[in-house]
Amino acid sequence: DAGVIQSPRHEVTEMGQEVTLRCKPISGHDYLFWYRQTMMRGLELLIYFNNNVPIDDSGMPEDRFSAKMPNASFSTLKIQPSEPRDSAVYFCASSVSNQPQHFGDGTRLSIL
Amino acid sequence: AQSVTQLGSHVSVSEGALVLLRCNYSSSVPPYLFWYVQYPNQGLQLLLKYTTGATLVKGINGFEAEFKKSETSFHLTKPSAHMSDAAEYFCAVNIGGGGYNKLIFGAGTRLAVHP
Repeated sequence: DAGVIQSPRHEVTEMGQEVTLRCKPISGHDYLFWYRQTMMRGLELLIYFNNNVPIDDSGMPEDRFSAKMPNASFSTLKIQPSEPRDSAVYFCASSVSNQPQHFGDGTRLSIL
Repeated sequence: AQSVTQLGSHVSVSEGALVLLRCNYSSSVPPYLFWYVQYPNQGLQLLLKYTTGATLVKGINGFEAEFKKSETSFHLTKPSAHMSDAAEYFCAVNIGGGGYNKLIFGAGTRLAVHP
């Protein structure tokens, strides 16, 4: 079975550019999560959706970050404008209600 | 407020030796507890979980963990380490009482296995 699919796997861009990270959850999963992993702060939950609706975005660091889920099979996390401190590995995860989360392999983002 | 503390950012064992990775949690409500493993350049993979019931839970790859409420601990063990166990391990607890959605993760423990 296909797992959570994230693209791109690696992204290098210059400060000030818009960055879009993409995620395809596991088919049939109704929860989708975005996380950020850094050496300093570890793994942090940014936002999660249920049935395509954002439920909790309290972890989103600031207005430069936005996330959407236009349908059950696709979500994006955008950073605009990007800053060097946004460099991190961003993970998407999905789950069925009352079951553990399944993680994608992440997008390694470097902002120069 | 819920929190997770993993004791030891790096643990090194010999192949065949006991693996013990420590996790202590803080929670104002009965917790759900998890151990995840992360291999290089990959996402997190669930090893095992505790929700309710039996306090000794068994997971994949020969790992197990015991929920000890009195010690607020959920330590991960494996009787005999294998080279393929080298990875980073994360303990997590749910926030808000019940459910699998809002998790907070410990800082992680990197396990090295030597021949």
